[in-house]
Amino acid sequence: GQQVMQIPQYQHVQEGEDFTTYCNSSTTLSNIQWYKQRPGGHPVFLIQLVKSGEVKKQKRLTFQFGEAKKNSSLHITATQTTDVGTYFCAGEGGSEKLVFGKGTKLTVNP
Amino acid sequence: DAGVTQSPTHLIKTRGQQVTLRCSPISGHKSVSWYQQVLGQGPQFIFQYYEKEERGRGNFPDRFSARQFPNYSSELNVNALLLGDSALYLCASSLRDGLTPLFFGPGTRLTVL
Repeated sequence: GQQVMQIPQYQHVQEGEDFTTYCNSSTTLSNIQWYKQRPGGHPVFLIQLVKSGEVKKQKRLTFQFGEAKKNSSLHITATQTTDVGTYFCAGEGGSEKLVFGKGTKLTVNP
Repeated sequence: DAGVTQSPTHLIKTRGQQVTLRCSPISGHKSVSWYQQVLGQGPQFIFQYYEKEERGRGNFPDRFSARQFPNYSSELNVNALLLGDSALYLCASSLRDGLTPLFFGPGTRLTVL
């Protein structure tokens, strides 16, 4: 079945540094979504990408969907302590329902 | 508007018991999905219901079942609980079936002893 892989599994940064997490699917996706889960919380939807090569920005967050619609990335510029949490990508494709990666846990040292 | 609500918040059961988890979607949302999240892992898809019909089932044993009611709320049932069923069970609602983002509830933390 469809698999979604995320790297790195953990990332620790100093406040103000940039952060990037990468997501790769074993199959072509119809869309990819990104979620953020704060410690002790539940996943919260951030964004959905549908088009090949699509790039979307939300303030300091930049999301990209690969040309082949099999990979995606999330880049955070100048991290803040409020960015702490686990970032999940989730891909939808074919007959598979939304499949989540294992997430990248981000910690920020103030 | 209220978000997705789930009950109970926490639950402790022993092996072999049965459990029922409940979910109310966001008003106007007709699709409900259930996910299991084991500590340190991403959510894993269990079921999706849309307009009271099952639209998808993940790779879970038949001990797991679910249903959606006319008011679009949903129940997840797990029979013959195993230690490995201990997890956070997340319910998510979406406006319609397919290509829509999920809005998750706070989850039910199930502990099986």
